[in-house]
Amino acid sequence: QKEVEQDPGPLSVPEGAIVSLNCTYSNSAFQYFMWYRQYSRKGPELLMYTYSSGNKEDGRFTAQVDKSSKYISLFIRDSQPSDSATYLCAMRRNTGNQFYFGTGTSLTVIP
Amino acid sequence: EPEVTQTPSHQVTQMGQEVILRCVPISNHLYFYWYRQILGQKVEFLVSFYNNEISEKSEIFDDQFSVERPDGSNFTLKIRSTKLEDSAMYFCACQRETLNEQFFGPGTRLTVL
Repeated sequence: QKEVEQDPGPLSVPEGAIVSLNCTYSNSAFQYFMWYRQYSRKGPELLMYTYSSGNKEDGRFTAQVDKSSKYISLFIRDSQPSDSATYLCAMRRNTGNQFYFGTGTSLTVIP
Repeated sequence: EPEVTQTPSHQVTQMGQEVILRCVPISNHLYFYWYRQILGQKVEFLVSFYNNEISEKSEIFDDQFSVERPDGSNFTLKIRSTKLEDSAMYFCACQRETLNEQFFGPGTRLTVL
């Protein structure tokens, strides 16, 4: 079983839609959870960074972590064409600095 | 806003040649990383570096790889004898303190022919 699972998509939505992106994981030691956005041929750009369970909101983005289900989500409200990118989840344990990434979900927001 | 820079943006090399990929991390950051991303695949951790030594490495980071912070600003990844399967995007990342978020550079695309 992979440490981090993420549906690669592709996901295509109309402008203004609410987007839900998800990852599951197998290692209960993961405590820190991140969402990165990656445009084509660019480096990952940090969107959200959360610790343990709960919700975190930043503008149109909301990150949720459910440690009991080993499930994390990123919601994008009022999606824009500029949100079109690949979204990567990443996580790490409390010790060590290695980040474990999902494969990424490709999102296209259609004007 | 401070950012991570990487050079070159694209490196083409022949199999068996040595390559050095360069990164300039954000200046007050203390932890440094290299990741790679083979086309269409996930970002994979290679190595972390702190206090002038490797703190953690993956099984990908074998004897063909080495890292160095030669002058307090640059952070380099050397591949001694490149193989075809080393073709990938290589990302440098840095972190101000442990448990903080990592910031990524734009990547170097390595093509091994």
